[in-house]
Amino acid sequence: SQQGEEDPQALSIQEGENATMNCSYKTSINNLQWYRQNSGRGLVHLILIRSNEREKHSGRLRVTLDTSKKSSSLLITASRAADTASYFCATKGTGGFKTIFGAGTRLFVKA
Amino acid sequence: DGGITQSPKYLFRKEGQNVTLSCEQNLNHDAMYWYRQDPGQGLRLIYYSQIVNDFQKGDIAEGYSVSREKKESFPLTVTSAQKNPTAFYLCASTPQGLSNTGELFFGEGSRLTVL
Repeated sequence: SQQGEEDPQALSIQEGENATMNCSYKTSINNLQWYRQNSGRGLVHLILIRSNEREKHSGRLRVTLDTSKKSSSLLITASRAADTASYFCATKGTGGFKTIFGAGTRLFVKA
Repeated sequence: DGGITQSPKYLFRKEGQNVTLSCEQNLNHDAMYWYRQDPGQGLRLIYYSQIVNDFQKGDIAEGYSVSREKKESFPLTVTSAQKNPTAFYLCASTPQGLSNTGELFFGEGSRLTVL
């Protein structure tokens, strides 16, 4: 069963603009992670935020987590054409060994 | 370089045939996973293994089988019982233990097409 739901399903922006993707989940989590997937490739881990954290930064990435609303957002600032990819949120539950993925947001950055 | 290697990258199969997808890692990770990805969708867990000689079914294990005879290897067999096997298959691994955050390291995937 899928845990996360990303919103929007697809996003098209101009280079230099910011891109925001949202993720909602259903059960209690230990942490929430964001991954990136280029077309036809494997997933690459971007950033992890723990359940007791509210915001985290890594380079041009900013992740927020609201456990009361069971939601997270990923902000990519000053986007580049090379950021074109699918982005997935994934959750690791408390006491579980499985990491569960949402359906992803497809981001297209136009040069 | 350390990483996860999946092979083959592309595979074509006739209906009724079993095929085996290879996954090898040299990251010294204890846990390994197989996911299936269909177009425009997220990943669904097929099987996972936390330790050698042990594995558990994921959410969509029917029609698949695995083995874990070595720490480095976790092959997936797609059997003829799998009704709709055409998909992109991803193998992943993660270290275990109390410090394990669940961060997954992925291979480059294997695309299986049934003719």
